[in-house]
Amino acid sequence: NAGVTQTPKFRVLKTGQSMTLLCAQDMNHEYMYWYRQDPGMGLRLIHYSVGEGTTAKGEVPDGYNVSRLKKQNFLLGLESAAPSQTSVYFCASSDNGDSSAGAQYFGPGTRLTVL
Amino acid sequence: RKEVEQDPGPFNVPEGATVAFNCTYSNSASQSFFWYRQDCRKEPKLLMSVYSSGNEDGRFTAQLNRASQYISLLIRDSKLSDSATYLCVANNAGNMLTFGGGTRLMVKP
Repeated sequence: NAGVTQTPKFRVLKTGQSMTLLCAQDMNHEYMYWYRQDPGMGLRLIHYSVGEGTTAKGEVPDGYNVSRLKKQNFLLGLESAAPSQTSVYFCASSDNGDSSAGAQYFGPGTRLTVL
Repeated sequence: RKEVEQDPGPFNVPEGATVAFNCTYSNSASQSFFWYRQDCRKEPKLLMSVYSSGNEDGRFTAQLNRASQYISLLIRDSKLSDSATYLCVANNAGNMLTFGGGTRLMVKP
């Protein structure tokens, strides 16, 4: 199993450009998440999904949109990129079984720079 | 006040040393707890879950004290490869994790 994969690994955008980050998991997990990690700020939840076709806002949702059309995929979109969105973006997934107690498994991350 | 607080370190220890990290959490409704390890420029990886009875995985021991809302991680016989940032994590409800800021460990030869 590949676990959680993310594409692209790196991207440089100009202010105002748009892009979509793709996350895929092959563990049949119900829950998926998008985080950003900035120096000194730790991991902050952007959006999450508790199942196919559902999405919800996290701690820092502004400027981002998400879609979960298929259970295995979770897309993060930036409609009009801003320099403040320069960050490392991590996708994660978890199942909803009692045995896991909610542990999340992370993808390798996408390093985004907005100029 | 952050929901999950950790000493950011860095903790500089020699190889073979025993080192302990502590973490406090503020949400008494937190249901489960974890330690994650994050290497520089890499994703967080689950190190171990933390149980009330305490649990051990090789050189790593985790403890949870619900009364004091305190979690600990003990690493025995430190290896160079243990150098990383250790994240204390609480599961509040509905599989929503709250991450501490991390404690950086540097193991020196």
